[in-house]
Amino acid sequence: DADVTQTPRNRITKTGKRIMLECSQTKGHDRMYWYRQDPGLGLRLIYYSFDVKDINKGEISDGYSVSRQAQAKFSLSLESAIPNQTALYFCATSDGTTGKAFFGQGTRLTVV
Amino acid sequence: EDQVTQSPEALRLQEGESSSLNCSYTVSGLRGLFWYRQDPGKGPEFLFTLYSAGEEKEKERLKATLTKKESFLHITAPKPEDSATYLCAVQASGANNLFFGTGTRLTVIP
Repeated sequence: DADVTQTPRNRITKTGKRIMLECSQTKGHDRMYWYRQDPGLGLRLIYYSFDVKDINKGEISDGYSVSRQAQAKFSLSLESAIPNQTALYFCATSDGTTGKAFFGQGTRLTVV
Repeated sequence: EDQVTQSPEALRLQEGESSSLNCSYTVSGLRGLFWYRQDPGKGPEFLFTLYSAGEEKEKERLKATLTKKESFLHITAPKPEDSATYLCAVQASGANNLFFGTGTRLTVIP
């Protein structure tokens, strides 16, 4: 089983709809992250969390929100999806000591 | 402002043809430089962490090196299964996350 699991793996949604992407991990790490990947732009940080009570914005947080339901669960919501949010989304965890991040398999989101 | 530039954007090699990928960085105090491999449709997979200039790490056909301004990922006698996108990322001192470059897409032709 994967250490970092994302659901769904693929999703097509309509403009204006609210959508939630979920992430769970078995690494036991406190730190969790949501990244977005677009061709030519690399991975960009949306939000990160260091524990259940700690939520921080990344460089591209507008239009997104997150919830840290437990140490192992971190979800990303698009309040009102728009076509330029079409991208590959990755959840990641790290232990905070080495800085090394472990990534999920990604969610491919298409907004039509 | 942190900056990571990877070159070339794409590289095609014949099987067995050694080469190097470059990652140039500007960061306010380097805490660590990371190399990841990413296969199409999958999440990045950790390869190496380098912490200080002069450090080197090796894994199979891959060797990563670090200077104060750049890192190289050397690929010796590559095989088709080495085809992937290789991502470089830095973590600045006091930063809470990694800052990624846009990657080098490597294709190794049999």
